[in-house]
Amino acid sequence: AQSVAQPEDQVNVAEGNPLTVKCTYSVSGNPYLFWYVQYPNRGLQFLLKYITGDNLVKGSYGFEAEFNKSQTSFHLKKPSALVSDSALYFCAVSVITDSWGKLQFGAGTQVVVTP
Amino acid sequence: GAGVSQSPSNKVTEKGKDVELRCDPISGHTALYWYRQSLGQGLEFLIYFQGNSAPDKSGLPSDRFSAERTGGSVSTLTIQRTQQEDSAVYLCASSLVSGGANEQYFGPGTRLTVT
Repeated sequence: AQSVAQPEDQVNVAEGNPLTVKCTYSVSGNPYLFWYVQYPNRGLQFLLKYITGDNLVKGSYGFEAEFNKSQTSFHLKKPSALVSDSALYFCAVSVITDSWGKLQFGAGTQVVVTP
Repeated sequence: GAGVSQSPSNKVTEKGKDVELRCDPISGHTALYWYRQSLGQGLEFLIYFQGNSAPDKSGLPSDRFSAERTGGSVSTLTIQRTQQEDSAVYLCASSLVSGGANEQYFGPGTRLTVT
């Protein structure tokens, strides 16, 4: 069975500093990896995904993520954080051998960006 | 264009009552998913529909939960004889086609409170 781990419950960063949100996964097949963001009292918004190809994927709002197969990681990054990036971030995995499209989510990481 | 919509946005019900939650997916999206978000359990997959295929019900927590999708569009999640542990935010998502590579677009959710 696949699983996703987000080891940090919360990440605190000052505005303008780099932001990293960690994600590791465990799957038996080839993973499709996703990042979603949730603002207060809102649904999840898609940020980016890794399917195949270039290990560095770029997404919305200046975010990017690096797929590392040997470390089974898919960390989310932003070079310069904004206060408006404060939100709950979820990593998710979908496995082609599983029910197609069913996402397995991590527990989420709360990002707090201070001015 | 219009996103995924859900109704009601909030629902308070007494223990033992039945509730129906509605989801209108993005027009043209053939795949529809239900998830549940709660403090103790994080984000959990419930059920997914793809076109006219039999739904994947593997995530439904008990036989009190059921869902249908009429005409390949609108979906209703029904919870019978609600229990306090059913209190959560119920999220609906849709994607253009099924398949692990396709990102899902989420609605704002229905917050269910069982008293």
